[in-house]
Amino acid sequence: QVQLVQSGAEVKKPGASVKVSCKASGYTFTGYYMHWVRQAPGQGLEWMGWINPNSGGTNYAQKFQGWVTMTRDTSISTAYMELSRLRSDDTAVYYCARTMNWNYHYFDYWGQGTLVTVSS
Amino acid sequence: AIQLTQSPSSLSASVGDRVTITCRASQGISSALAWYQQKPGKAPKLLIYDASSLESGVPSRFSGSGSGTDFTLTISSLQPEDFATYYCQQFNNYLSFTFGPGTKVDIK
Repeated sequence: QVQLVQSGAEVKKPGASVKVSCKASGYTFTGYYMHWVRQAPGQGLEWMGWINPNSGGTNYAQKFQGWVTMTRDTSISTAYMELSRLRSDDTAVYYCARTMNWNYHYFDYWGQGTLVTVSS
Repeated sequence: AIQLTQSPSSLSASVGDRVTITCRASQGISSALAWYQQKPGKAPKLLIYDASSLESGVPSRFSGSGSGTDFTLTISSLQPEDFATYYCQQFNNYLSFTFGPGTKVDIK
């Protein structure tokens, strides 16, 4: 069965970076785009960007360009999202989400979420 | 970027009620819209894609309609497990994706 398992909660200081991992299993990792979505406490969902696990190509939301980096390691079917220069308002749960197929960018499987807390 | 608005932002309903949630896009997106259900502390769950296609395993009491700029999610008979927050999401091209602000459905 398809599973996306994310790394554990992180506590970071302002200005630091965080790297969240998302390990995929149960399907061909390079056959589906992987997106990242975040949710601040009590708030809605915010799309951050995607990575093409086959080519490594990326596309980031304009808001995050220049301070988010999405990568992948196909040998271990894992996607990564790194956010730099953290601020307190980056405190959120970060989710990875798989697309339904190569062309349909709706998200049928999600990771369990990783809480990133930014506090001095 | 395409913006999505949802109405209402919250509603109270009883088990068995018919519930309708609306999502409006700032520009036409054809049928490139999905609906998700999210319960507290959990990841969102895909309910509807392509505006009206029911995701596998989702109960048939959920339905979606609309195209262009106006979309609707309907729950024909609300069940206890349906109390949650619902989000729409647009996918008009491969470069930019947006979620609506959400509609919280709670118990009257």
